[in-house]
Amino acid sequence: EVQLLESGGGLVQPGGSLRLSCAASVFTFSNYAMSWVRQAPGKGLEWVSVISGSGDTISYADSVKGRFTISRDNSKNTLHLQMSSLRADDTAVYYCARGHGSSPRSPLDDWGHGTLVTVSS
Amino acid sequence: EIVLTQSPGTLSLSPGERATLSCRASQSVSNTYLAWYQQRPGQAPRLLIYGASSRATGIPDRFSSSGSGTDFTLTISRLEPEDFAVYYCQQYGSSPWTFGQGTKVEIK
Repeated sequence: EVQLLESGGGLVQPGGSLRLSCAASVFTFSNYAMSWVRQAPGKGLEWVSVISGSGDTISYADSVKGRFTISRDNSKNTLHLQMSSLRADDTAVYYCARGHGSSPRSPLDDWGHGTLVTVSS
Repeated sequence: EIVLTQSPGTLSLSPGERATLSCRASQSVSNTYLAWYQQRPGQAPRLLIYGASSRATGIPDRFSSSGSGTDFTLTISRLEPEDFAVYYCQQYGSSPWTFGQGTKVEIK
């Protein structure tokens, strides 16, 4: 069974930074695109970013472009999301999700349980 | 950005009834890159349908989907107790990928 374990969430002040990680196991990590999706409390899903299996294709939602950076370390089976200039409306549960294949144009087959990021003073 | 509008916002039905959920896109969705997800309370979303009409692994055949271009439909033929949840459509054909706002299927 695919395992995706997010970490790095917590409380951060507005304007601050945070780095999320997602440890993947039980599959060949480099063969799959990976995404971050977030969900504000009581709200719907919002796609944040995707990175291809090789890491050479990346895309971001307009709401995070220029502030968030997605990356992956295929040697360590780990996905990251570096978040900076955080705002109150970035408060959400952040899910790591595996794509159906290596292309970023993939539905999201498997999801982690999420990590909560709270931006507040 | 492609905006996905789901309707209705809430669907109140009884177990055994048929559920029909709609997802309308503001622009045509490339190559039917349209997926449906189910999210139960307190859980992560689960992929149900991809490529507009292909069921994901392990998804029962009471879930089906159809559509192309800008109009897509998810149908649950006979609602089971575990099907009462929130359902989201997502397009992954044109960046940025986007989700609909969700349809809640609740017990009547």
